Amino acid sequence: EAEVAQSPRYKITEKSQAVAFWCDPISGHATLYWYRQILGQGPELLVQFQDESVVDDSQLPKDRFSAERLKGVDSTLKIQPAELGDSAMYLCASSFEMGPYEQYFGPGTRLTVT
Amino acid sequence: GQQLNQSPQSMFIQEGEDVSMNCTSSSIFNTWLWYKQDPGEGPVLLIALYKAGELTSNGRLTAQFGITRKDSFLNISASIPSDVGIYFCAGSTLQGAQKLVFGQGTRLTINP
Repeated sequence: EAEVAQSPRYKITEKSQAVAFWCDPISGHATLYWYRQILGQGPELLVQFQDESVVDDSQLPKDRFSAERLKGVDSTLKIQPAELGDSAMYLCASSFEMGPYEQYFGPGTRLTVT
Repeated sequence: GQQLNQSPQSMFIQEGEDVSMNCTSSSIFNTWLWYKQDPGEGPVLLIALYKAGELTSNGRLTAQFGITRKDSFLNISASIPSDVGIYFCAGSTLQGAQKLVFGQGTRLTINP
């Protein structure tokens, strides 16, 4: 069964350091999403890609966060510099197309900033 | 912004009991999705609903898209230990970026 892959699964970093997360969506899925989930809450969208283009990054803290999907397949989310408040689960999801379609999530990356 | 109210926030039941949870919105949604999340894992899609009044089953799980298009319900029949986890509803509208908005989750605990 096709799955969304993410790495690393866990990351511990010191504040002010840079950190990067990688996601490989389900093959053939044009739309890719990065979410942040704080403990005890539902996921919140950070950025949405359609192929290699950003279609929504309104909730992405652009002073420290960046995301790219250069070839329209896998994607990287970067935080530089990391802050204590960035500790959370970072989830990647993909869907066949943009719109009201089913989104499939990866296992997530648990980030702890010390 | 759009908000989803999910209730109850937590449930403690006995194995074998049926479970009901719901999600309400102040906005009209055209899609409702229900997910289950285990600790340390990503959400797993359980059921997708696309039409008002739609009733869809997935094994012991049944979900409904409310007639008003502002709510959705998830029922689990004859609960078993592996049903333990957090259940999230998520909805999207046809307006704007059509992004998913998630509820706060319902934490299900089962006493054997």
